[in-house]
Amino acid sequence: EAQVTQNPRYLITVTGKKLTVTCSQNMNHEYMSWYRQDPGLGLRQIYYSMNVEVTDKGDVPEGYKVSRKEKRNFPLILESPSPNQTSLYFCATGGVSNQPQHFGDGTRLSIL
Amino acid sequence: GEDVEQSLFLSVREGDSSVINCTYTDSSSTYLYWYKQEPGAGLQLLTYIFSNMDMKQDQRLTVLLNKKDKHLSLRIADTQTGDSAIYFCAVRTGGYQKVTFGIGTKLQVIP
Repeated sequence: EAQVTQNPRYLITVTGKKLTVTCSQNMNHEYMSWYRQDPGLGLRQIYYSMNVEVTDKGDVPEGYKVSRKEKRNFPLILESPSPNQTSLYFCATGGVSNQPQHFGDGTRLSIL
Repeated sequence: GEDVEQSLFLSVREGDSSVINCTYTDSSSTYLYWYKQEPGAGLQLLTYIFSNMDMKQDQRLTVLLNKKDKHLSLRIADTQTGDSAIYFCAVRTGGYQKVTFGIGTKLQVIP
């Protein structure tokens, strides 16, 4: 079964405390991407990766880092989280023609 | 950059057709997508159309693309209560892998 697994699903933390949201896929897809979803703004792309060791900025990359050391994993790193990064985050992978096709169930982050 | 616009809300009666509209700005867009998001869940890719197509039909779903007007629509025939969700239009710009989403249209189906 095609799966995109995000962890944690929920996290409440404080400003400045580094955190990592993991994303793992079992479909051997090359394309992976991170989005944040905010009310009234829809989904905005943070970073994407076309393959191992190939990453690029999306529309809202400030305050985030990513890495792609292996094909199945694409962690999102917040080195010094701030309250404006409170949001719902989705990881997605691409299938045919690198479509953002499979989404994880989301990670709800609250930064106090 | 790309700008994708959708109306916020649509209400239809069960059994009627629903039409959700989307406009975009970048004429070099290559792939155009429709996603469905149910409460508390991630997005589900419903269908997509390549920019050299005018129409794509998949069971109850019909996608129409007017490339001249940069207008995309999703028609759901015989709308059911299970179709109640938020529908996102998204566009991929040619030559890049960035995908820009609209803000989503909430479809309410009245029994």
